[in-house]
Amino acid sequence: AQSVAQPEDQVNVAEGNPLTVKCTYSVSGNPYLFWYVQYPNRGLQFLLKYITGDNLVKGSYGFEAEFNKSQTSFHLKKPSALVSDSALYFCAVRDDQDSSYKLIFGSGTRLLVRP
Amino acid sequence: NAGVTQTPKFQVLKTGQSMTLQCAQDMNHEYMSWYRQDPGMGLRLIHYSVGAGITDQGEVPNGYNVSRSTTEDFPLRLLSAAPSQTSVYFCASSYRPRGATEAFFGQGTRLTVV
Repeated sequence: AQSVAQPEDQVNVAEGNPLTVKCTYSVSGNPYLFWYVQYPNRGLQFLLKYITGDNLVKGSYGFEAEFNKSQTSFHLKKPSALVSDSALYFCAVRDDQDSSYKLIFGSGTRLLVRP
Repeated sequence: NAGVTQTPKFQVLKTGQSMTLQCAQDMNHEYMSWYRQDPGMGLRLIHYSVGAGITDQGEVPNGYNVSRSTTEDFPLRLLSAAPSQTSVYFCASSYRPRGATEAFFGQGTRLTVV
């Protein structure tokens, strides 16, 4: 069965420090992986995606993510956090073996960046 | 370019009432889907469509109907509202559903059933 796990409900970091939001996945075939961000009372905004090739993916607002096939992980990172990065972050996966093409989402991780 | 537009933004229903949540996209996307978001559960797929005239069930379809008569519109109908359907509903669309194509989301509809 397809699944995505985000083991931390909340991540707290100080502004200027590096941040990591963790994500692991399980699929039958090859994964297509995504990160989305949700600000209060807003829809989800696309941040970045993994396409076969480079394991380090760069996305919007200075975020990047590292794909690790052996650990089935796709952790979101940023070298220097901003207070404005505080939001809810979702990891999602699409299984290339799934004919419904659906995105499976994790439960979300709330990032709180303190000044 | 409006993207994905959902109406209404907020709605309160009484148990047993029916209603339709509207979703429209102006990007000529093939794939459209409806999700519900509940605290601590992420987003769960209700129904999806790979093109006009084609719909299918997702993970949590009970109590909901959809239709896709045009490429642009994908309304979600609640047949007889129940308190368990209190949630935030998101419509999403993708150019093609395959591979690494990202989804675009609407602003959401916050539904409360009393």
